[in-house]
Amino acid sequence: DSGVTQTPKHLITATGQRVTLRCSPRSGDLSVYWYQQSLDQGLQFLIQYYNGEERAKGNILERFSAQQFPDLHSELNLSSLELGDSALYFCASSADIGGGRSYNEQFFGPGTRLTVL
Amino acid sequence: GQQLNQSPQSMFIQEGEDVSMNCTSSSIFNTWLWYKQDPGEGPVLLIALYKAGELTSNGRLTAQFGITRKDSFLNISASIPSDVGIYFCAGPTYSGNTPLVFGKGTRLSVIA
Repeated sequence: DSGVTQTPKHLITATGQRVTLRCSPRSGDLSVYWYQQSLDQGLQFLIQYYNGEERAKGNILERFSAQQFPDLHSELNLSSLELGDSALYFCASSADIGGGRSYNEQFFGPGTRLTVL
Repeated sequence: GQQLNQSPQSMFIQEGEDVSMNCTSSSIFNTWLWYKQDPGEGPVLLIALYKAGELTSNGRLTAQFGITRKDSFLNISASIPSDVGIYFCAGPTYSGNTPLVFGKGTRLSVIA
């Protein structure tokens, strides 16, 4: 158990709908990262938040947005869903930012499997 | 941007055999991370390497940070069925917009 929790575990919805995925980082971790993994594909970095602020942005679609709350949990919002958005979505967290080794070590949650029908 | 190339892409081995896989880059990395992902689960950090030439073990797993800092190796000794999964290498990028870059993974299948 990495200490990172994600809900829900599974989500089935229809095209055009909007969903919210939730992540709670490990206790004390300030950075949260979101990744997308399509079937048999690698991990695609979407976005990073550090202590409530956006820190880095990857290949995240405009239809997707995220935020990190004062209690450090994060939510990933996916809207106007398309069939191609079906994937596993992972959240990861790391301790601090810059300098320390612990920044690089990301710990992943169990993921949310999103199916768009 | 920085890319990590993993080989082999997949491998089938007999239970009890030793396994070797590697990860290479055209860029220098100061840290190498190895993760394992079971089907439908999140990647689990296996080993972190921070120094060129470093050799680190975690049970039957041993990883090495290449001297050139452009490669890393992961070895699994005496494989067992629960070693099945995808092994990813990863490293931090200090430029661009991606904190960690991941290789595409080596898929390991163990035949009992």
